[in-house]
Amino acid sequence: GAVVSQHPSRVICKSGTSVKIECRSLDFQATTMFWYRQFPKQSLMLMATSNEGSKATYEQGVEKDKFLINHASLTLSTLTVTSAHPEDSSFYICSASKPGQGGVWRSTEAFFGQGTRLTVV
Amino acid sequence: AQTVTQSQPEMSVQEAETVTLSCTYDTSESDYYLFWYKQPPSRQMILVIRQEAYKQQNATENRFSVNFQKAAKSFSLKISDSQLGDAAMYFCAYRRRTGWGEKLTFGTGTRLTIIP
Repeated sequence: GAVVSQHPSRVICKSGTSVKIECRSLDFQATTMFWYRQFPKQSLMLMATSNEGSKATYEQGVEKDKFLINHASLTLSTLTVTSAHPEDSSFYICSASKPGQGGVWRSTEAFFGQGTRLTVV
Repeated sequence: AQTVTQSQPEMSVQEAETVTLSCTYDTSESDYYLFWYKQPPSRQMILVIRQEAYKQQNATENRFSVNFQKAAKSFSLKISDSQLGDAAMYFCAYRRRTGWGEKLTFGTGTRLTIIP
């Protein structure tokens, strides 16, 4: 399988500050990455689709100015939570789609990072 | 819009027994993937099994198998010979087949407990 690394795994920040979370595909190039948010005992909620070299596509209800996404290279996407507040405390997970084999442009499987637990105090 | 429904918030099974987790979905597409993901306490998402909608044969991966009923839009997961390490949250997920890096739509999850 492929490896997606997410960093940091845990972060505590003060209210009003910004925090950056990195998502890296270590052994494949990912033109598309996804950012999810997961509340305790709940499912994964897609926040945005990160596209290399272009603007991210945000899901309805997700604040673009609060959750800044940058996909500057084929192996790195970052999520910056700006002016964080306690209600932003959550578990954030990224995933990357690995290209299909044989030159097929369809990807067949998403690989997930380990997740980041953000606590805003 | 596609939706995925898991009607069993919690399930439990005796070790070595068999358990089936239910999933239904709604889509107007004819070509798509369905997945079962496992999320153990570490919260790392792990792919358990994948089914391509155009394939009639049910997918199998060792002790894990699915019952894919396309017409009924049902996709259940059967775990045979349950082991303590199978304890986790299980998420059913849908994805359109076409498209580069299409997003996943997840169900609400089923928490599986294994009773020793």
